[in-house]
Amino acid sequence: EVQLVESGGGLVQPGGSLRLSCAASGFTFSSYSMNWVRQAPGKGLEWVSYISSSSSTIYYADSVKGRFTISRDNAKNSLYLQMNSLRAEDTAVYYCARARMIFGVADADMDVWGKGTTVTVSS
Amino acid sequence: QSVLTQPPSASGTPGQRVTISCSGSSSNIGSNYVYWYQQLPGTAPKLLIYRNNQRPSGVPDRFSGSKSGTSASLAISGLRSEDEADYYCAAWDDSLSGLVFGTGTKVTVL
Repeated sequence: EVQLVESGGGLVQPGGSLRLSCAASGFTFSSYSMNWVRQAPGKGLEWVSYISSSSSTIYYADSVKGRFTISRDNAKNSLYLQMNSLRAEDTAVYYCARARMIFGVADADMDVWGKGTTVTVSS
Repeated sequence: QSVLTQPPSASGTPGQRVTISCSGSSSNIGSNYVYWYQQLPGTAPKLLIYRNNQRPSGVPDRFSGSKSGTSASLAISGLRSEDEADYYCAAWDDSLSGLVFGTGTKVTVL
């Protein structure tokens, strides 16, 4: 079964750091680009970051640029999001999502999503 | 902030047709594919339409997508109670070098 499972969420103080992980199974992880997407409580979807299959291409939303770092370990079938200098407005459910096309280019085409992990930034 | 604009809500009775609009610009919808996602309450988003008007396997043909210029739309025909959900359009934005989502539309089945 194709599956993505996020972990690493929790409660953190403003200015703190957190590292999210996304474990992939049931498909050849190294062949697919990946994204992080978040959703603040009661709000809509917001794209956070994209990484290509080989990590050669990376993009960030302006709202997290310079604070968040996306990475992947294809040998461990894992995707990561290192979040530093966290703010209250980063409070959200964070989803990892797989690009639908194998070796595809960056776009909004995501066919497999995890259930999400919750990040709460509060003092 | 969202750069794709959707109506906040839409509704219909069972069996009716509901249409949701998504308005963007030349840097996103005007030059890239549009995607639609369905988010049922308390669950992760699900890909509903890809590349403007294609349905993934398993998505009923009651759902259809279209695109014209810098706008797109999602139509749900034969509305069913299980279609009550939030719907989001999405596209890559060349100016932002990023993915943008619509503001979201909550569909209610009366």
